[in-house]
Amino acid sequence: GESVGLHLPTLSVQEGDNSIINCAYSNSASDYFIWYKQESGKGPQFIIDIRSNMDKRQGQRVTVLLNKTVKHLSLQIAATQPGDSAVYFCAENMRGGGADGLTFGKGTHLIIQP
Amino acid sequence: EAGVAQSPRYKIIEKRQSVAFWCNPISGHATLYWYQQILGQGPKLLIQFQNNGVVDDSQLPKDRFSAERLKGVDSTLKIQPAKLEDSAVYLCASSLDWDSPLHFGNGTRLTVT
Repeated sequence: GESVGLHLPTLSVQEGDNSIINCAYSNSASDYFIWYKQESGKGPQFIIDIRSNMDKRQGQRVTVLLNKTVKHLSLQIAATQPGDSAVYFCAENMRGGGADGLTFGKGTHLIIQP
Repeated sequence: EAGVAQSPRYKIIEKRQSVAFWCNPISGHATLYWYQQILGQGPKLLIQFQNNGVVDDSQLPKDRFSAERLKGVDSTLKIQPAKLEDSAVYLCASSLDWDSPLHFGNGTRLTVT
């Protein structure tokens, strides 16, 4: 797998490797976080979400980790496939209390190399 | 289920002209959002509706942007007059309620020349 710093605009990984995309969020009061995947010419697509009362949540090939102490969120993609190529955004609800009014991060472009 | 529908897909206008975008959310979704996404950036919330009422329009440039959701279903976003910096993708999203993930449409790409 490949680990990156807090935010990189671009992450390049080999097909079949694990990917880790990191995100630093800004508001300690945020209690809901979402990862979105955006392919070229399309709208953001929901991947996985997590609430602040959890520190880990798993989906199909994806895992989100939440570290509230350092306000850090990460998305792990297992066995990366060509179809995973996209821009990935983390989003937080800075108001607290639900999914409305999401604030999006800058995005990381994941590139899959054959 | 059918996704969020938006039209037109692309629009090119000259500065100072007007433009309108249309959105039909997923059936039964009470909450509707308009986001602006400038190239290379994450989406930025413009306005949020709960049914036909505005919940948050704090980031909507109200001197030129307006939005409505009269019957609590579909919505229109208008820009009048457009400026060069309005060039962006305008995304509509809906959610079942305030506590559910947002589902996005594919957006309208606006180019202002």
